[in-house]
Parts: sequence; C-alpha cells; structure tokens
Amino acid sequence: SYVLTQPPSVSVAPGQTARITCGGNNIGSKSVHWYQQKPGQAPVLVVYDDSDRPSGIPERFSGSNSGNTATLTISRVEAGDEADYYCQVWDSSSDWVFGGGTKLTVL
Amino acid sequence: EVQLVESGGGLVQPGRSLRLSCTASGFTFGDYAMSWVRQAPGKGLEWVGFIRSKAYGGTTEYAASVKGRFTISRDDSKSIAYLQMNSLKTEDTAVYYCTRGRGATGGPFDYWGQGTLVTVSS
Repeated sequence: SYVLTQPPSVSVAPGQTARITCGGNNIGSKSVHWYQQKPGQAPVLVVYDDSDRPSGIPERFSGSNSGNTATLTISRVEAGDEADYYCQVWDSSSDWVFGGGTKLTVL
Repeated sequence: EVQLVESGGGLVQPGRSLRLSCTASGFTFGDYAMSWVRQAPGKGLEWVGFIRSKAYGGTTEYAASVKGRFTISRDDSKSIAYLQMNSLKTEDTAVYYCTRGRGATGGPFDYWGQGTLVTVSS
C-alpha cells in the first residue's frame, strides 16, 4: 500500500514562512491535495492538484510537488493558521491515502 | 451554498449495525462522487470509501479495513448518500465525515460535512 509521511509537528513564528512536507515514493507523479483542520472542526481543502487554491483560500497558501516530496508552504504565518494539516493522494492500488498529519504551531 | 449534513451516529455495541446518512444541498448531487472519511479520537484522517456518480458508473471503492463490512449507496432523487456499517468493531469508533468530489477518483474533497460520532462499545 502507498504511504505518505509527514512530520508530526512544525513550529513557526508569526510572519515567517512555514513549510510542511509530505513524502511518498515518486509522489511527484501524483496529484497532491492538502487539508487544514482546526480543533473541533471539519477539514478544509486549502490546496489541490499540487498547487491550485480553492476560491476563498488566501494566496499565502501554496504548494509544490517533485520527486519524492510534496510541500505545503504558508507565507506570512498568522495565529489563525495554527491547525493540523494533512496531505492526500490517489493511488491506483491503495485508492485515497492521507498522510499522518502535521500539527502547525504558531509561536 | 453547498451543505453536507451527516446523521445517524451514536452508541452501538460491537457486532451490531448502524446506517449513516449524508444529506446534501446547494449543488447538483448526481454530478458528484461522495466519499466517507473517518477520524478516530485524537487520530488522523482515514478514508473509508466512496461512490462514483452515475456518469462514472455509480461504482464503489472501499478501504481494506472496512471492505466486506461497510456499504456505500446513494439516492440521487433525495440527494442523500448512505454508509451502512455492519459487524462493527471497537476500532470503528470515530467521527465520520461525508465529502464530495469529482470524476472517476472522486476527489479532491472540496466540501465536508460537520461529522457524526460513532461509538462502538459494549
């Protein structure tokens, strides 16, 4: 089965840039989607197809994907960005797969 | 406004059954695939399964952990998706979310419901 690996936690000061990685075998050949989940709330799609943003998502959220690593980048981090972030891909043998999630802490 | 509202959760004994419903509004339900995703307490997201739209055959796919026990169906006339859960185990305890997606793979999941809690315990 296909496995996505995320760091358990990332910390960043307000105004700085946060980078959350998602590792997988040749993930660069897949489309990666990213979700934000705040405590007690349902997840929200923040980036899809590696680097596209749904309407209403700030431009501060961006994504990239190459080789064995996809990255969600959050620029000019705000306190309100503190949340869990999950990457996701479709794999032909595993169907939908989520990463284990990364807790973003804003210092 | 797109809305997905789950219902049917609750406390159920191991080995019993439960059916969840996801009532949709604000979009053409029949054009979308519907997925179920669950989240055990304090844990990450786990995809459960999905049903394609009729345009893609209305077929279903399931995670290995629920295959043979869970069944997803849909009623396009009522804009409702269902998750029938049989032979429930304690490890099925989770918040269950319904989501919508497009195409043959049913993703990405651009809207989510608020979730319904299923507790499997004796």
